[in-house]
This record gives sequence, structure tokens and C-alpha cells, in this order.
Amino acid sequence: DVKVTQSSRYLVKRTGEKVFLECVQDMDHENMFWYRQDPGLGLRLIYFSYDVKMKEKGDIPEGYSVSREKKERFSLILESASTNQTSMYLCASSSRGETQYFGPGTRLLVL
Amino acid sequence: AQTVTQSQPEMSVQEAETVTLSCTYDTSESNYYLFWYKQPPSRQMILVIRQEAYKQQNATENRFSVNFQKAAKSFSLKISDSQLGDTAMYFCAFKSNFGNEKLTFGTGTRLTIIP
Repeated sequence: DVKVTQSSRYLVKRTGEKVFLECVQDMDHENMFWYRQDPGLGLRLIYFSYDVKMKEKGDIPEGYSVSREKKERFSLILESASTNQTSMYLCASSSRGETQYFGPGTRLLVL
Repeated sequence: AQTVTQSQPEMSVQEAETVTLSCTYDTSESNYYLFWYKQPPSRQMILVIRQEAYKQQNATENRFSVNFQKAAKSFSLKISDSQLGDTAMYFCAFKSNFGNEKLTFGTGTRLTIIP
């Protein structure tokens, strides 16, 4: 079975803090994704990566950056957390042309 | 840009009944993929069913089936003999067959199965 893990299930941070969310997949997938999920808005793509050290902006990249130094790991970085970044963050991975598999999510609260 | 619309924010149905969740989408492409994902209260999103647009036959997975109407750009999910474990958020998603692997999601339908 494909396994996508995320570093934390719940996270509480202060406004202005730098926040790292990490995602690891064990299926040698080329593609990795970061989404945020908000009630009434569904899932929106923040960034994705189709190879090591490659990244592309999704629909809502403002206030976020990403890092992919190894194929299995994709990090989402909030350089200076703000209250409007309080959300559920979901990581996913896939092989090219195949189904995306999701991690359990990280619920981030920014105070 | 593609859009995906789920017009039913919440639905509930009695256990063992059949329920249909609706999804419409907008695209100018002729070749693409459509998905239904399920997110139970524990939050792990899992794939329910996948449809390739060039296939006319509707996809089925056990109690789950789709009604894919390409001309109408409609992709509904039917759950037969509903079970308590079907209680979840259901998301419809679109993926182009060209370019990147991005999924475009609808806003979701919260389905509650009543015992």
C-alpha cells in the first residue's frame, strides 16, 4: 500500500513564526502536492513538484514556499505565519498519470 | 481554467438506501479524468472511483458507481446499499490529460448515513 505521512496531525503556532510542514511518501512517486482545505472551499492547490528540486505554483501560493531536496520528501514552509493561514493542510503524491494518494493532514492553528 | 461544482453541501440518507451525489464540471478539453474522493471523519482522503473521459462505460467499484454524461459535463456518484462507514465528505475532482498532474476539486458534499 502507498503510504503518505505528514509530520504532525495538529500544530499551534504564533503569528510571525516560521512553520515547516513535512510530507514523506514511500512509493517512489515523481509528483508531490500540497493542498489546503477550508470549509466551503474544498481543496486548493498551493504548490506541487514533479521532480527533485523542481516546483510549480498552484492556485494559492502566496505566503508559502516549498522544498524538495529528496524524492520522497516535500516540505511546505510558511515564512511568517498569519492567522489567515489557519487551515487543514493535505499532502499528496502520485506517479505520472496515476491517482493521487493523500496523507492524513495537518490541522494548523495560527494564533 | 477548469471548474468543478458540487451543488449539495450536505446530504443524509437512511442506512441501506441508495444516494446520489452530483458533480458538474466545465472544461474545453475532450480528454481528461474525473475522480470521486472520500474523506471520513478521521481525515484520510481516499479514492473511491475514477473515470477516464474517453471511456463511455461508467466506472463501478462494488457499491459505488458513476453516471458520466460527457456532453452534459456531469459526473454523479451513486452509493447503493449505504452503510454507516460511508459517512464522510465526498469530493469530486478533475484532472486534465495534458500538462501537469494538478487536480481541481469541488467544494465537497458532507454525507451522513443515518442508522
